[in-house]
Amino acid sequence: QVQLQESGPGLVKPSETLSLTCTVSGGSISTYYWSWIRQPPGMGLEWIGYISYSGSTNYNPSLKSRVTISVDTSKNQFSLNLNSVTAADTAVYYCARHGSGYSYDYWGQGTLVTVSS
Amino acid sequence: QSALTQPASVSGSPGQSITISCTGTSSDVGGYNYVSWYQQHPGKAPKLMISDVSNRPSGVSNRFSGSKSDNTASLTISGLQAEDEADYYCSSYTSSTPYVFGTGTKVTVL
Repeated sequence: QVQLQESGPGLVKPSETLSLTCTVSGGSISTYYWSWIRQPPGMGLEWIGYISYSGSTNYNPSLKSRVTISVDTSKNQFSLNLNSVTAADTAVYYCARHGSGYSYDYWGQGTLVTVSS
Repeated sequence: QSALTQPASVSGSPGQSITISCTGTSSDVGGYNYVSWYQQHPGKAPKLMISDVSNRPSGVSNRFSGSKSDNTASLTISGLQAEDEADYYCSSYTSSTPYVFGTGTKVTVL
């Protein structure tokens, strides 16, 4: 059974960089695409970006200037960096695996990141 | 890319059927058969319920079904049960973003 687990700081200061890692277990990170998705408290879901097993990326145009997603196949991990954060970036951040037809079939449990001084 | 439009809330009694709509444009819902639906209980991660408009993943109850007509996709829950009370989100491939989620619908079992 594939499992995803997000890890990283729960508190980030304004203007700094938010960094999260998603560790994949129970399956290889290769041959699939992987996304980061976030959900501000009490609000809906927002796709941040994806990375393929080969390292190709695609980002949400609204965040593209601040986002970098990378993959480390040797560790079965992929990571998110979001720079110049503000309070508007406070959210639960999920990592997810791409399934059939641009769906997300496996999700991490999510990690709350708060942007505050 | 604007979020897909869903009703804020839908309710029904146990045993009834309810339908949640997801309205987009010809650049997303109407243009591709790549609509998926997710169930999210409070404090939990979303769970895939439907992919490719109407495909149900293994393990998902057959009380959940999906369909699409023009620019609107729909999720129907038949035989409503207390455990179905949750938030539901649609998602679609788009020609721009390339992913967009719906605004979300809170399902209440009366």
